[in-house]
Amino acid sequence: SYVLTQPPSVTVAPGQTASITCGGNNIGSKSVHWYQQKPGQAPVLVVYDDNDRPSGIPERFSGSHSGNTATLTISRVEAGDEADFYCQVWDRSYDHPVFGTGTKVTVL
Amino acid sequence: QVQLQESGPGLVKPSETLSLTCTVSGGSMSNYYWGWIRQSPGKALECIGYIYYSGSTNYNPSLKSRVTISVDTSKKQFSLKLSSVTAADTAMYYCARLLPIDRTGTTWFDYWGQGTLVTVSS
Repeated sequence: SYVLTQPPSVTVAPGQTASITCGGNNIGSKSVHWYQQKPGQAPVLVVYDDNDRPSGIPERFSGSHSGNTATLTISRVEAGDEADFYCQVWDRSYDHPVFGTGTKVTVL
Repeated sequence: QVQLQESGPGLVKPSETLSLTCTVSGGSMSNYYWGWIRQSPGKALECIGYIYYSGSTNYNPSLKSRVTISVDTSKKQFSLKLSSVTAADTAMYYCARLLPIDRTGTTWFDYWGQGTLVTVSS
C-alpha cells in the first residue's frame, strides 16, 4: 500500500516559519490534505486539495507539493500552533485514505 | 454544524468483539461516506474503513477479516464491529465524515468526533 513519510519532529521559534514535509512516491500527482491534532483532541482539517483552507483556518497555513514531497507551511508561528500534523492522500489502488506518520511541531 | 459522537464500551476483553456507534447530528447522512479511524497510543492515524450512506463499505486490507461497518440512517448512526481483539487494538477510536470523492479522485475527512478510548485487557 501507499506509504507517506513525515519527519518525527520540527522545532520552530515564535514568529518564524515552520515547514512540515510529507514524502511519498510521486506524491506530486496526488492531492494532499493536512490535519492538525492538538494534545487530547481530535484531528482538525487545516488544508485540503493541496492548498485550500476550510473556513476558520488562518491564511498562515498553506500547502504545496512537487515531485515526491508535499509541504505544509505555517507562517508567523504562534504558541497555539503546537500540535501533531498529519498528511493524507487517497490511495486509488484500494480506494482508501492513507495518513502520514505524523510530525510533532514544537514552538520554543 | 455537523457533530459526531462516539459511544461504546471503554474496556473489551481479548478475543471478544469491539462494538462502537457514532451518532450524527446537525446534518444529513445522505451523499456522504462515514468512516472509522483509530490511533494507538503515541502512534499515527489509521483508517479502519468507511461506509456510504447507502450501505456500501470499504475496509482497510490489514483489518478486513475482522471488521464490519454498518449504517442506520433512520437513527443517524453508523457502527463499527472489530472481532477477535488483542492488546494491539487498544486505541482511541474516532468516527468522521468523508466527503464524496471529487473530480480529481480524492477526498478527505471534514468533521470528526471527539474520540473514544478503547482498552483491550482482561
